[in-house]
Amino acid sequence: QKEVEQDPGPLSVPEGAIVSLNCTYSNSAFQYFMWYRQYSRKGPELLMYTYSSGNKEDGRFTAQVDKSSKYISLFIRDSQPSDSATYLCAMTIYNQGGKLIFGQGTELSVKP
Amino acid sequence: GAVVSQHPSWVICKSGTSVKIECRSLDFQATTMFWYRQFPKQSLMLMATSNEGSKATYEQGVEKDKFLINHASLTLSTLTVTSAHPEDSSFYICSAPPGTGYGYTFGSGTRLTVV
Repeated sequence: QKEVEQDPGPLSVPEGAIVSLNCTYSNSAFQYFMWYRQYSRKGPELLMYTYSSGNKEDGRFTAQVDKSSKYISLFIRDSQPSDSATYLCAMTIYNQGGKLIFGQGTELSVKP
Repeated sequence: GAVVSQHPSWVICKSGTSVKIECRSLDFQATTMFWYRQFPKQSLMLMATSNEGSKATYEQGVEKDKFLINHASLTLSTLTVTSAHPEDSSFYICSAPPGTGYGYTFGSGTRLTVV
């Protein structure tokens, strides 16, 4: 069993839809959680960073962490074609120098 | 803030030659730098962890003599692919944690093609 599980998709939605991306993990020691967006042939871009259970909002993006269920989510409101990319969840035990453990990445396509 | 600059963006080299990839932290000191390799349609695979002033720690299965990592200063880490072969062709990315309260920052990646 992988430490972090993420549905690779692909996921296709119409423009304006609410997108829900999810990851589950098995190691209860993970404390810091990140979501990245990666366009083809580019490095991952940090979207959200959280370290506690609950919700964190930034513009159209909301990150949700449920440590009791070992489940994290990223919601994208009013999705745009420019959101079409691969979304990676990542987590680590130690914020300073700890290895990031990644999900497989979910390929998202937002159709105009 | 928290920018990691990676160069070159892409490089083509002949089989048997060496290629150096640089990652610089522009506005923070990177005590630790992670180096990843990524194949098409796959997630990132950690190759090694470098710490400033000490030897890098390589993941199982990664050849230390082929992928030389140097982290001589708090703002520069380099990956040298030695005696490159076509199977080394891949997308290489570096990443660093900028500090408490921030997520890890990634470089823009280097696409290496060995012909």
